[in-house]
Order: sequence, then C-alpha cells, then structure tokens
Amino acid sequence: AQSVSQHNHHVILSEAASLELGCNYSYGGTVNLFWYVQYPGQHLQLLLKYFSGDPLVKGIKGFEAEFIKSKFSFNLRKPSVQWSDTAEYFCAVKVGGGNKLTFGTGTQLKVEL
Amino acid sequence: EPEVTQTPSHQVTQMGQEVILRCVPISNHLYFYWYRQILGQKVEFLVSFYNNEISEKSEIFDDQFSVERPDGSNFTLKIRSTKLEDSAMYFCASSVSPAYQETQYFGPGTRLLVL
Repeated sequence: AQSVSQHNHHVILSEAASLELGCNYSYGGTVNLFWYVQYPGQHLQLLLKYFSGDPLVKGIKGFEAEFIKSKFSFNLRKPSVQWSDTAEYFCAVKVGGGNKLTFGTGTQLKVEL
Repeated sequence: EPEVTQTPSHQVTQMGQEVILRCVPISNHLYFYWYRQILGQKVEFLVSFYNNEISEKSEIFDDQFSVERPDGSNFTLKIRSTKLEDSAMYFCASSVSPAYQETQYFGPGTRLLVL
C-alpha cells in the first residue's frame, strides 16, 4: 500500500527565511501529489497539486513544489515566509487512478516575527 | 467561494451510542468523502461515495459505519455503536467529479469525543 512521509514535524522560522518541507511517497506507479494547508481554526485548503507535465508546480501564496520522480519526492518550497504562513502543512498522494487521498503526518510551521 | 460545511463542530457521546455526523458538500459536487484524524495521527481515508453508492472504503470502515445522502444537499456518516477509539476529528470532503485529477475540498471537521 502507498504511504507518505513528512520528515519535519515541527519547523520554526523567522520571517523572510526560506522554507523547504520534505515529502516522500512510496508507490511505484503513477501518482498525483498534493499539498494542503490548515491555518489555525480553519479547514484543509489546497495549496498546489501535480498531475503531469512540468514537475515544478506553482501554487497559491507564493508556494511551489517540485516532483522528483527518481527520489519519490514532492518537496514544498517558499523563498520568503511570512508570519501568516504559520499553519500545518500536509502532503498527500493519490495512486493508481483511485480517488482516496493518502496523507502524511503533517508539518507544523511556526513563523516568528 | 462555496465551502463544505459540517455539523456539529463538536460532539460528545457515551460509548455504545449512535452518532450521525452531517455534511453539506459544495452544491455542484457529485463525489463525497469522509476522512478522520485521531489526535496525533495521520488524516485517514474512510469512504468515498458517488451516484448514491459507496465507491471505495477503507478497512476502518466496518459494519459500524454507514453513509447516506438522505436528500439533495446533505451527506451523513453514521456510527452505529461508538467505541472509545472512534474519538477523532471527522472531515467531509467533496469534488466536482470522480476524475482522478479533481481537487477534494474539505470541511472544517467535527470533533467527536466518545466517553
């Protein structure tokens, strides 16, 4: 069965620092990859997704992610974080033409002023 | 922007009692899901529902669970006889179609506590 690993459970950054959150998945076939964000007190929202084509995907609020098939990775990046980026970030995968999302454990990001 | 809504936001129940969690998916969406997140653990898929029937379910979704679309707007998850281990945040989600690339939109969740 497929699985998703997020390496960092808690990340603390200062404003303007660069962000990279790791995500690896285990599945040998075709995958669709997602990053969701959950701001405090709010519901899960889609940041970006990859289905095919350009492996560098741009999402909302200046976030981007790169799909590296050889590394089974889909890391999330942002060049300069803001205090408002404080949230929990979830990587998720769909495999084999199915519709269920398999989530990672999430990374809690805190951005300090 | 249309949103998925869920009621109640919190529910406390006694072990063995039945609970019904309610969701109103986005109005033009046709594919519905339930996920849950036990405190400190991953968000886990429970079930997907399309065209008035279950299209996929996980091993968690046993006979104690059922889903229903009782009318044109609501989508419900029923737990027939709750157990302590059913305590979790339950998320409803919906998508426009069952197409593989469709985004799932999530509701705010219902926090269920079984005592």
